[in-house]
Amino acid sequence: AQSVTQLDSQVPVFEEAPVELRCNYSSSVSVYLFWYVQYPNQGLQLLLKYLSGSTLVESINGFEAEFNKSQTSFHLRKPSVHISDTAEYFCAVSVSSNTGKLIFGQGTTLQVKP
Amino acid sequence: GAGVSQSPSNKVTEKGKDVELRCDPISGHTALYWYRQSLGQGLEFLIYFQGNSAPDKSGLPSDRFSAERTGGSVSTLTIQRTQQEDSAVYLCASSIARQGAGGYTFGSGTRLTVV
Repeated sequence: AQSVTQLDSQVPVFEEAPVELRCNYSSSVSVYLFWYVQYPNQGLQLLLKYLSGSTLVESINGFEAEFNKSQTSFHLRKPSVHISDTAEYFCAVSVSSNTGKLIFGQGTTLQVKP
Repeated sequence: GAGVSQSPSNKVTEKGKDVELRCDPISGHTALYWYRQSLGQGLEFLIYFQGNSAPDKSGLPSDRFSAERTGGSVSTLTIQRTQQEDSAVYLCASSIARQGAGGYTFGSGTRLTVV
């Protein structure tokens, strides 16, 4: 069975500082990996995904994540955060040969302070 | 429609009553998923529909929970004899690809409060 662990429940950071949100997964088969973001009082939105190919994937708002198969990790990074990045971030895994069912981590709340 | 639509957005019900939550997926999306988001517990998979195939009900927490999808489109999640622990945000998502590789589109959810 697959599982996802987000190591930090809350990450406070000052504006313009770099941030890394950690995600580790366990699976005995190949997977697809996703990061979703949930802004306050809004639904979940897909931030970025890794399906195959380049292990570094980027979003349109400056986030990036790197798939590391040996460490079974998919950490999310941003070199300089904004107040507007304050949200809850969810890492998720899908078994690539399966039905597409996503297994989510517990979520990490990113709190950007001025 | 342009997105996944869920109704109602909020529902307060008395313990023991039945509730129905509705999801209208994006037109053309063959896969539909229900998740539950409880405070501090992340997202819990409930049930998955793909076209005319038998649904994957492996995540339903008890036999009080059931769901159906009529005509491959609209889905209804029913909770019978609601309990306080059922209080959560119920999220519906749809996907165009069987394997979900394109990622899901989520609705805004139904916040269920059982009093």
